[in-house]
Amino acid sequence: SYALTQPPSVSVSPGQTARITCSGDELPQQLAYWYQQTPGQAPVVVIYKDTERPPGIPERFSGSSSGTIVTLTISGAQAEDEADYYCQSADSSGTPVFGGGTKLTVL
Amino acid sequence: EVQLVESGGGLVQPGGSLRLSCAASGFTFSNYWMSWVRQAPGKGLEWVANIDQDGSEKWYVDSVKGRFAISRDNANNSLYLQMISLRVEDTAVYYCARVETTVTLNFDYWGQGTLVTVSS
Repeated sequence: SYALTQPPSVSVSPGQTARITCSGDELPQQLAYWYQQTPGQAPVVVIYKDTERPPGIPERFSGSSSGTIVTLTISGAQAEDEADYYCQSADSSGTPVFGGGTKLTVL
Repeated sequence: EVQLVESGGGLVQPGGSLRLSCAASGFTFSNYWMSWVRQAPGKGLEWVANIDQDGSEKWYVDSVKGRFAISRDNANNSLYLQMISLRVEDTAVYYCARVETTVTLNFDYWGQGTLVTVSS
């Protein structure tokens, strides 16, 4: 079955740039989405359609895509950005697929 | 304001059944596909099931096929998940989510989730 692969964890110091990657063979043909989830809360979209940022999401969040890899970048990470981040796309049969998630630590 | 409110979770023994509900408000419910997504304790997100606007088409992850049934009542703006033959590995928070577009199958609104615990 189709899989999206993320690193389990990423750590940065406050003010540094955090980059979280998501790889999948079908990403060149399918759009990707990024969700932020804090403990006990539902996921929230922070990037949609590979690179778009929803209203209300800080400008430090950006997305990019290159071949089979999409990347979530947080420029100048802040303590409140500490969360789990999930990429999501769809496979060729029309099934939603999530990456395994990346725990971002800002310390 | 879009709101999705799940209910119906709880503790059930292996082999038991449970029916989850999701009350939707703040949007035209009958215009959207809807989904259930679950998250086992300490684990990642897993898509469980989708249903189209009028309930005529349904899709499931392989691990729940034949055991779970997604349905909807557009007159009452409600989404359901009937779960039978529950297994310990079905233990998770179950989220109701709105599918933004059927092309990308992404989720733009989520409920707060309801916890299902399968244990003897």
